[in-house]
Amino acid sequence: GENVEQHPSTLSVQEGDSAVIKCTYSDSASNYFPWYKQELGKRPQLIIDIRSNVGEKKDQRIAVTLNKTAKHFSLHITETQPEDSAVYFCAASSQGGSEKLVFGKGTKLTVNP
Amino acid sequence: DSGVTQTPKHLITATGQRVTLRCSPRSGDLSVYWYQQSLDQGLQFLIQYYNGEERAKGNILERFSAQQFPDLHSELNLSSLELGDSALYFCASSVAPGGFTDTQYFGPGTRLTVL
Repeated sequence: GENVEQHPSTLSVQEGDSAVIKCTYSDSASNYFPWYKQELGKRPQLIIDIRSNVGEKKDQRIAVTLNKTAKHFSLHITETQPEDSAVYFCAASSQGGSEKLVFGKGTKLTVNP
Repeated sequence: DSGVTQTPKHLITATGQRVTLRCSPRSGDLSVYWYQQSLDQGLQFLIQYYNGEERAKGNILERFSAQQFPDLHSELNLSSLELGDSALYFCASSVAPGGFTDTQYFGPGTRLTVL
């Protein structure tokens, strides 16, 4: 089955710097890759997603890139702010059969003021 | 607010007991997913229902079962509870399986503590 590896597990940056989180997946049939932000004790909230027919997607300070050949995708946050501090999860899913999300272990991002 | 509701928010019970967690999907969503989040295992997929039928099973224990009712709400039943079942249980919903509009939106979760 699908396996998603996520790095790093913790990331500390200064306010205004960029943060990059990387994930790799194992199942070449996966074609949907969402990123979720989870604050302590709260629900995972979708922040951006990408499908396998595009290589990059951007939404204001957040961007995601996908390399299908290498089976990896990355989350880029620019101009980080203290409110970006949270745990970020990547996930992969293959539509058709089951749309379950297989999650990475998460990255705890701390943005220092 | 994602539009997905879950009750109860917190549940404290003893080993060996049985509990039921409830989820109401977003209006119009036909698929419901259950995930378990524990500190050591992260977010793990348990089971998916689509329009009342089981569609996929993940790492769900035999002591756990679920169903989706005609009004599309879903219940997750956990029995013979063990200490290791303590976790956050999330429900998510999406419009339908497959297709383009299948983003999963998560509910607020139920925190289960087994003493």
